[in-house]
Amino acid sequence: EPEVTQTPSHQVTQMGQEVILRCVPISNHLYFYWYRQILGQKVEFLVSFYNNEISEKSEIFDDQFSVERPDGSNFTLKIRSTKLEDSAMYFCASSVDRGRSPLHFGNGTRLTVT
Amino acid sequence: TQLLEQSPQFLSIQEGENLTVYCNSSSVFSSLQWYRQEPGEGPVLLVTVVTGGEVKKLKRLTFQFGDARKDSSLHITAAQPGDTGLYLCAPSEGYQKVTFGTGTKLQVIP
Repeated sequence: EPEVTQTPSHQVTQMGQEVILRCVPISNHLYFYWYRQILGQKVEFLVSFYNNEISEKSEIFDDQFSVERPDGSNFTLKIRSTKLEDSAMYFCASSVDRGRSPLHFGNGTRLTVT
Repeated sequence: TQLLEQSPQFLSIQEGENLTVYCNSSSVFSSLQWYRQEPGEGPVLLVTVVTGGEVKKLKRLTFQFGDARKDSSLHITAAQPGDTGLYLCAPSEGYQKVTFGTGTKLQVIP
């Protein structure tokens, strides 16, 4: 069964550094998402992306964050200048449609900011 | 943004016991999804409930959507260690984003 893949599985970076988290969504899916889960807390929506532009973003997704679909298969999340509080699991998801279509999640990238 | 409250937040039970977890909101949903997240993995969809009063069964899991479509429950019969995980509910009605509830963390002890 096709799946969403995320790389790397674990990223350690120093505060103030830029990181790029990568995702390959399922190939026939049209909607793409990033979610964040701080250890022990809820899964929080960051951003949704459709037709090469952001559809919706949360208040967490400030100017330090950006997303891109550079080549038709990858979907990336960039954090420009990481802060300690950015440490979390970052999940990419995709869906064939919005509405009742299920989200298919990757296994996440654990980002540790030191 | 719809606020989804899930209860209980944590549940630790012995293998073989039954349990029910709840998802509540003050808003009406046209449909609602349940996901399970196992440690170290992303959430995986279990079921979508659509009609008020609907009951769906997935082996030992029974999902019910409230008549008023503002709440839902998940009942697990004879829990197994493999049921351990974080159970999340989320509305699914054409929004661009899916907003998850607070989650119920279930631990089933062998």
